[in-house]
Amino acid sequence: AQSVTQLGSHVSVSEGALVLLRCNYSSSVPPYLFWYVQYPNQGLQLLLKYTTGATLVKGINGFEAEFKKSETSFHLTKPSAHMSDAAEYFCAVSGIYTGGGNKLTFGTGTQLKVEL
Amino acid sequence: GAVVSQHPSRVICKSGTSVKIECRSLDFQATTMFWYRQFPKQSLMLMATSNEGSKATYEQGVEKDKFLINHASLTLSTLTVTSAHPEDSSFYICSAFADRGFPDTQYFGPGTRLTVL
Repeated sequence: AQSVTQLGSHVSVSEGALVLLRCNYSSSVPPYLFWYVQYPNQGLQLLLKYTTGATLVKGINGFEAEFKKSETSFHLTKPSAHMSDAAEYFCAVSGIYTGGGNKLTFGTGTQLKVEL
Repeated sequence: GAVVSQHPSRVICKSGTSVKIECRSLDFQATTMFWYRQFPKQSLMLMATSNEGSKATYEQGVEKDKFLINHASLTLSTLTVTSAHPEDSSFYICSAFADRGFPDTQYFGPGTRLTVL
């Protein structure tokens, strides 16, 4: 069984400030971890993912996340927020087994607001 | 990268009618597609797993007779909402595995906004 907890349904930062969106997961198997961004009335766009190897992963638009197994966390960060970063962000987990049977389990999402 | 399309992007229908939503993988073959439902300001909830050439697997609590899924080809899955009611109004999103061997190759469609009057 897998689950994802995103702390903070709403996060507000000033433009240029650090963005930190928190994600903790629970998984009975080694996890694959993902961050997706969703703009209003649009589908999901993959920001970054952790599969194996380096625990610090870099994604698009200057975002990065670090997989910390000991803390079961996969927090998303960006050094300097931009107005265009305002969106809904979802953390998700799946198993690593091949065969197409892995389902994504999503967190409840965090709405990021960027203020001038 | 792999592209998944959905049609229509937006649909408004009267209560009691049926609505069909198409999900297509444009540049790859997808033996497995997923259908999600998203209520306003909420997360995505998996409705069903659509497998090419076989019956869909529905998540607990999802009425299979209400939400008919057909995965007739390796590039097309359809979701039909039968006898739609206002409570079926939602944002429906599909996704597809570009490579069934790799669970990190799931790509999402742009979603379909269904409004039932």
